[in-house]
Order: sequence, then C-alpha cells, then structure tokens
Amino acid sequence: AQSVTQLDSHVSVSEGTPVLLRCNYSSSYSPSLFWYVQHPNKGLQLLLKYTSAATLVKGINGFEAEFKKSETSFHLTKPSAHMSDAAEYFCVVSYFNKFYFGSGTKLNVKP
Amino acid sequence: SAVISQKPSRDICQRGTSLTIQCQVDSQVTMMFWYRQQPGQSLTLIATANQGSEATYESGFVIDKFPISRPNLTFSTLTVSNMSPEDSSIYLCSVIAGGDYEQYFGPGTRLTVT
Repeated sequence: AQSVTQLDSHVSVSEGTPVLLRCNYSSSYSPSLFWYVQHPNKGLQLLLKYTSAATLVKGINGFEAEFKKSETSFHLTKPSAHMSDAAEYFCVVSYFNKFYFGSGTKLNVKP
Repeated sequence: SAVISQKPSRDICQRGTSLTIQCQVDSQVTMMFWYRQQPGQSLTLIATANQGSEATYESGFVIDKFPISRPNLTFSTLTVSNMSPEDSSIYLCSVIAGGDYEQYFGPGTRLTVT
C-alpha cells in the first residue's frame, strides 16, 4: 500500500529561524512526491515536486525538499521563516495518477 | 497550467437533501478527481471522474452517495446525496494538466449540512 506520514501535526518557529517539516512515505513503486501549502481560507498551492530527477528539489518562496530513498523521506525545509509562511503544509505521494495526502502540518511563525 | 472553477462556492443545506457541485476547467484534461476536506482534516480522495465511463471510487465512498458525471473533458459534477451533518466539508475538484504532471485544484465548495 502507498501512504504518506507527516510526523508533526504542529510546528512552531520564530521568524528568521529554519523550518523543517517532516514527511515519510511508503510506496512499492518509485513515487512522485509533492508539497502543497494551504493558507487559511485559501486554495491549495504547489510548493515543489519530485518526479525522479534531481533528489534536491527547489520550490517557490525559498522552500526546498530532499528525496532520500534510503530513509523513505521527503522533508521540507526553509533556511529562514517568514511570517507569511504560517499555513498548513501537505506532503503528497502520487502513484498510478492518484494523489494521496498526508495529514498536514500546521506551521506557526512567531514574531 | 489549468484554471478550475467550482459552483457553488458555498452552500448551507438541510439534512436529507442533495447538492450537485460543478467543476469547470479551462482546458481539456484527461484526469479529473474529487476530494473531500473535512473540518480540520487533510484531503481525502473520493473518486476519479472518468470521461465516458463510470467514476472510480476510493474505499469508503460509493456511487449511491456520491454520484459523479463527466460528460466531456472540461466538466464534471459531484452530487452529495441524502446529506447528513457528517457531510459538512469542503469539496474540491482537481485535474492533472500540462507536461509536468502537475495537479491543480479548484477553489473548493464549502458545504454545511444542518
């Protein structure tokens, strides 16, 4: 079975400090992996995606993620958090043209 | 890319009634999906809307409760039948478009069942 686990339901950081949002996947196949962000009362926005090319993927707004097959992980990072990064983040695994969402991580950024 | 619109954007319905949600895409797409996002929860895939054939439902979702139509490559509807308060959710349409295999989401339909 294919699944994705987001290890933290809530993460709180101070503005200007690094962000780490953790995601582990389980897949019998070579997965495609994505990170989406959802701001309050807004739609889903694609941050970045991994589709078997470079393992370090750079996305929008300074976010990046590294695909580590040995650890079955696809953690999302950002060197310096901004207040506007406060939102909910979803890790998504895709196989056979279907997309399955993790439970989400709410990121809080303190001034 | 793909631009997706949904109607209605929100509705408040009485239990026992049905609501049909429309999804319109600005380009022809092969893959179209319907998701549900219950309050405070992640997104759950309901079904894949197949053009010209019956939708393919995920475990826990059935056609009698969530009938789906897909008459062409730019349009689909999802009906939430015989609603109960547990159906209160945001329902989202999504498509895969472009050569980069990207998934695009509609703005969602916020449904409240009283």
